[in-house]
Amino acid sequence: SQQGEEDPQALSIQEGENATMNCSYKTSINNLQWYRQNSGRGLVHLILIRSNEREKHSGRLRVTLDTSKKSSSLLITASRAADTASYFCATDAGGGAQKLVFGQGTRLTINP
Amino acid sequence: GAGVSQSPSNKVTEKGKDVELRCDPISGHTALYWYRQSLGQGLEFLIYFQGNSAPDKSGLPSDRFSAERTGGSVSTLTIQRTQQEDSAVYLCASSLSAGRVGTEAFFGQGTRLTVV
Repeated sequence: SQQGEEDPQALSIQEGENATMNCSYKTSINNLQWYRQNSGRGLVHLILIRSNEREKHSGRLRVTLDTSKKSSSLLITASRAADTASYFCATDAGGGAQKLVFGQGTRLTINP
Repeated sequence: GAGVSQSPSNKVTEKGKDVELRCDPISGHTALYWYRQSLGQGLEFLIYFQGNSAPDKSGLPSDRFSAERTGGSVSTLTIQRTQQEDSAVYLCASSLSAGRVGTEAFFGQGTRLTVV
């Protein structure tokens, strides 16, 4: 079953602009993570936010979490061509289940 | 090793044959995950191992799929009597602890399986 759903499915912007991706989930969670994937192979961890946190920053990344709306957003500021990739949110599956469940991802394209 | 290692990186097999995919997690990581990703799609959860606990097999799509983890380290995903719909990239990840506690998962580069 799918826990996280990213929105939009695809996003294309100009270099230098900000990119915002959203993730919604269905059950209560303990934490939410964002990952990046280049070229359809291994994923790389970007940032983790816990359920008692509302916002977290890492370099050009800003993540927010709204547990009342069961949603999170990932903002990439001052985008670069190298940010072109697919971005996925992942959560624990809720209900005590410990497996890490991923959404369908957002395909981000940064145009030079 | 320094990261999660998967082998082979690519595998082409004939329909009906069995295949084994291997994952070497990072030493000391107690949690190990297998996912399947079809072209342009998200990650489909297959199975999860955590220490000595019984694995969570809830994502295995059929009884043709099985996985084991020996000695809490190396894991093998076996697909019996492969079908064309099994063609996908199979990704393995490991982490220090489970998803609920919340630690970073490290991914291997995956095995691209093509069933012809």
